[in-house]
Amino acid sequence: AQSVTQLGSHVSVSEGALVLLRCNYSSSVPPYLFWYVQYPNQGLQLLLKYTSAATLVKGINGFEAEFKKSETSFHLTKPSAHMSDAAEYFCAVSDYNQGGKLIFGQGTELSVKP
Amino acid sequence: GAGVSQSPRYKVAKRGQDVALRCDPISGHVSLFWYQQALGQGPEFLTYFQNEAQLDKSGLPSDRFFAERPEGSVSTLKIQRTQQEDSAVYLCASSSPGQGSYEQYFGPGTRLTVT
Repeated sequence: AQSVTQLGSHVSVSEGALVLLRCNYSSSVPPYLFWYVQYPNQGLQLLLKYTSAATLVKGINGFEAEFKKSETSFHLTKPSAHMSDAAEYFCAVSDYNQGGKLIFGQGTELSVKP
Repeated sequence: GAGVSQSPRYKVAKRGQDVALRCDPISGHVSLFWYQQALGQGPEFLTYFQNEAQLDKSGLPSDRFFAERPEGSVSTLKIQRTQQEDSAVYLCASSSPGQGSYEQYFGPGTRLTVT
């Protein structure tokens, strides 16, 4: 079975500081991995995805993530936080052998201090 | 529209009432998913359609939950005899697996509150 663990339910950074949100996965097959962002009272928006191509994936809004098979990790980073980055972030793995349903982590709430 | 739409956005139901939640996927997307997101949690899979066929309903929490997609486009999630534990945001997502990446596009969700 596939699973995702997000370390830290809440992360707080200062504006302009590095953002690092941690995600570890478990999968018996090569994974498809995703990061989604959710703003209050909105649905999920895709930030970036890994689908077995380049291990360093660049997404929207300056975010990127690196797939590390040896560490079973897919951490999300952004060099310089902006106030508008404050939101809930979800890491997910796709169960593509069963239609592609997503298995989500518990989420990490990012706060950005001025 | 260009995205996934859901209605209503908010629904308040008294315990024991039946509710119906609607999802309009992106035009042409053959796959449609329903997820349940409890407060402070990540979304959890409920059910999956490919066109009109419901291929996976393993996540439906009880037989009070029922989903359909009769013409392979719009889908309805129905909850009978609602209970307080059904209070959550219900998210719909669609995708086009032919693109090969299983990327899902989410609607804004329906927030269900059972009183």
